[in-house]
Amino acid sequence: NAGVTQTPKFRVLKTGQSMTLLCAQDMNHEYMYWYRQDPGMGLRLIHYSVGEGTTAKGEVPDGYNVSRLKKQNFLLGLESAAPSQTSVYFCASSYGGRRQETQYFGPGTRLLVL
Amino acid sequence: AQSVTQLDSQVPVFEEAPVELRCNYSSSVSVYLFWYVQYPNQGLQLLLKYLSGSTLVKGINGFEAEFNKSQTSFHLRKPSVHISDTAEYFCAVIEKTSYDKVIFGPGTSLSVIP
Repeated sequence: NAGVTQTPKFRVLKTGQSMTLLCAQDMNHEYMYWYRQDPGMGLRLIHYSVGEGTTAKGEVPDGYNVSRLKKQNFLLGLESAAPSQTSVYFCASSYGGRRQETQYFGPGTRLLVL
Repeated sequence: AQSVTQLDSQVPVFEEAPVELRCNYSSSVSVYLFWYVQYPNQGLQLLLKYLSGSTLVKGINGFEAEFNKSQTSFHLRKPSVHISDTAEYFCAVIEKTSYDKVIFGPGTSLSVIP
């Protein structure tokens, strides 16, 4: 099993450009999450999904959109990138529901917005 | 409101010395508690978790943590650290009434000095 994979690993954008980050998991997990990690702030939840076709806002959703068209994939979109979105983005997945589950993390995507 | 505090942002310690990384949380309901470790340029991985039962939890790589309900703490300890323990450590909480989201602390950077 590959676990959780993220594409791309690194990207540089200019302000105003758009991009999509792809997260894929092969563990048949119901729940998937997108976090951003900034120095001194730990991980902050952007959006999450509790199942195929569902999404919900997390702590810092502004400027991002997500889609979960297939159970194994969770896409994070930036429609108009801003320098404040320079960060490391992590995707995670878990069994979800009442199983208090461990989250499994991808290796991260480093995004620099100029 | 649910929150997680890690008072020490950086902890330097000499190799083979003991270490304690502190975590406190605030919540009006019962919680599940986790410690995750992030090695340089990698995603997070679970170190240990407390769900119920014995308040002393043992994890991977010789780490352990003790849940103290009265002090709302979940401190992480290791009796003798190795160079390979140099990493970022995150405490995390899930409220039992809400399985959707994990709240992460800001992280503690452990540096093991040879």
